[in-house]
Amino acid sequence: GAGVSQSPRYKVAKRGQDVALRCDPISGHVSLFWYQQALGQGPEFLTYFQNEAQLDKSGLPSDRFFAERPEGSVSTLKIQRTQQEDSAVYLCASSLDRVGEEKLFFGSGTQLSVL
Amino acid sequence: GNSVTQMEGPVTLSEEAFLTINCTYTATGYPSLFWYVQYPGEGLQLLLKATKADDKGSNKGFEATYRKETTSFHLEKGSVQVSDSAVYFCALRRGSTLGRLYFGRGTQLTVWP
Repeated sequence: GAGVSQSPRYKVAKRGQDVALRCDPISGHVSLFWYQQALGQGPEFLTYFQNEAQLDKSGLPSDRFFAERPEGSVSTLKIQRTQQEDSAVYLCASSLDRVGEEKLFFGSGTQLSVL
Repeated sequence: GNSVTQMEGPVTLSEEAFLTINCTYTATGYPSLFWYVQYPGEGLQLLLKATKADDKGSNKGFEATYRKETTSFHLEKGSVQVSDSAVYFCALRRGSTLGRLYFGRGTQLTVWP
């Protein structure tokens, strides 16, 4: 596709529900990032993949958060037993993994509201 | 640790006014510095970057200079337009290789005609 695509655009969940957020990166992009952006704040790093390998998951706030990228393209961020503090915009970004081509391309995000 | 501090917004300007958005950083080593912009309803976009001290990044009339002595990367534009209305984020990345970005909290800019 032309850019990074995220779905759904909006998600409303009841507290305790599990949710799955999808990211389709730009075709051929090796690196993929997930960020969490709370209202009025800057994006906070969650996790990073290079192809299918999850190289850094130090930003995941708890073991309720899980991310995967099994075939090195589409990625899913799963949040189990959602809590109100999980309400935020979840951003996905991808990049070619070559020196001089580090520019990150961001999707429009999934806005998660936990009631 | 690594962190970015941006001036708080919102910033409201008239068209053709001069813009400065302050950004200072704390980092180990020699980070790369970035400004990202988020237009209404769109994803974050890279506006400009600088990878070493005294480098000046520029794009679309915006400029920022990497000042190691003051650990700053202030964004400037000589004459803003209504179309520049957006949220601006300062960010850093440790070193020059691909890795996580550390973002500031963003500054909302509104330009009136």
